[in-house]
Amino acid sequence: DGGITQSPKYLFRKEGQNVTLSCEQNLNHDAMYWYRQDPGQGLRLIYYSQIVNDFQKGDIAEGYSVSREKKESFPLTVTSAQKNPTAFYLCASNPGQGVGQPQHFGDGTRLSIL
Amino acid sequence: SQQGEEDPQALSIQEGENATMNCSYKTSINNLQWYRQNSGRGLVHLILIRSNEREKHSGRLRVTLDTSKKSSSLLITASRAADTASYFCATDAKGGGFKTIFGAGTRLFVKA
Repeated sequence: DGGITQSPKYLFRKEGQNVTLSCEQNLNHDAMYWYRQDPGQGLRLIYYSQIVNDFQKGDIAEGYSVSREKKESFPLTVTSAQKNPTAFYLCASNPGQGVGQPQHFGDGTRLSIL
Repeated sequence: SQQGEEDPQALSIQEGENATMNCSYKTSINNLQWYRQNSGRGLVHLILIRSNEREKHSGRLRVTLDTSKKSSSLLITASRAADTASYFCATDAKGGGFKTIFGAGTRLFVKA
C-alpha cells in the first residue's frame, strides 16, 4: 500500500538538542510539506518542497531546517533555536502538478520537551 | 494568519442526526477542501470543491460553496459514532502558489 510514514511516533527533546523527524513516502509524489499542529488549532506550514533539492520556507520556519535529497524523503530537524517545539508534527505530500491538489498525510510525530 | 475559520468550534449530536459545519475565508480561492482528523492521527482528504462549483456530494457528505460570501459548509447526513473527529477546511488562495491554508477545525462528537 502506498502512503506516508512518519517516525518516530513520539519524540522527546532535551534542552539545547537538535532532533530530526523522518518522513518517507512511496506515492511518487513531487511535493512534500511539513506542518505543525498545536492543541485545538489548525495546521501551520513550516517548510515545503516542490521538487528534489529545492524547498521553501512556510509561515513558521524559524528554528527548523529541512533537506530534500531524495524524492521520497523530506526530514525535518527541530533545532535548539526553536524555543517552543512541543507540538504534533505532520508530514504531507501531493503530486505537485498544479495548485490545490489534495494532500496525503502521515500519522504524525508528537514532540515533547524533557 | 488563518485563511479558513470553522464554525462551530465544537459540535455534539446524537447518532442519526445531521451535522453541519461552516467555514469562512478571506481571499479569493482556486478551490476549497475538507479534511477529517481522528484523534492522534493525520488528516484524511474528504472532498474538494472548485471555485466555479456550488455544491458537491460524496456519499453522506454534502459540501456547498458560496464565493460571494466567501463561505463553505460541510453537511454529514445520518451521522454515526465513527464520524467523531475534527473536520478542517483548507483553501488555496489565488496567487498563493502551492500553499494550502488550514482552518482551526470543528470538533464533532457523535453520541451513540
